[in-house]
Amino acid sequence: DAGVIQSPRHEVTEMGQEVTLRCKPISGHNSLFWYRQTMMRGLELLIYFNNNVPIDDSGMPEDRFSAKMPNASFSTLKIQPSEPRDSAVYFCASSLGTGHYGYTFGSGTRLTVV
Amino acid sequence: QQQVKQSPQSLIVQKGGISIINCAYENTAFDYFPWYQQFPGKGPALLIAIRPDVSEKKEGRFTISFNKSAKQFSLHIMDSQPGDSATYFCAASYYVGGKLIFGQGTELSVKP
Repeated sequence: DAGVIQSPRHEVTEMGQEVTLRCKPISGHNSLFWYRQTMMRGLELLIYFNNNVPIDDSGMPEDRFSAKMPNASFSTLKIQPSEPRDSAVYFCASSLGTGHYGYTFGSGTRLTVV
Repeated sequence: QQQVKQSPQSLIVQKGGISIINCAYENTAFDYFPWYQQFPGKGPALLIAIRPDVSEKKEGRFTISFNKSAKQFSLHIMDSQPGDSATYFCAASYYVGGKLIFGQGTELSVKP
């Protein structure tokens, strides 16, 4: 298995532009998580899905952020409009379930908003 | 109550020494405590995990010690090597619908 695949690896965009981050979870994993990592705030859970259904989006910073999981093999995180404070590394992770299962993280997307 | 507090923020250890990272939690409903290791440019990777029904778990040079009454757990890296230099995160969750809550991370540097 190729692991959790994220694209793009790096994204530089101008303030106000729409940004879409993509994730392909490990086949057979039914839970998917989006995390954001910054020096100041560490690893923050933004949203997670179970069986393609959003379960908890309480970590989504504001309405500019949205996430979808149209099927078991694909998820997107969209920011519109983007702002410089959104600059961070965004990780997608998948697991066999919530709770006592280890998460497998992708390599992340480094987003820079200028 | 959902927080997991991790210390120290950074740690420098000589090769062959013992690295110790500590975490504390408040939510007594937590019942799964993993540690993740992250190298630069990579995502965190599961290193070792413990359930609260045991006080210690060892895998190679890595040991988790768990103190349920104090609501604390720690990672010990024996015979630390330069290749162990990475950022380490503790985390906690509970089984039913639980999501992992991560500590702030500890940047470990092992000097040759």
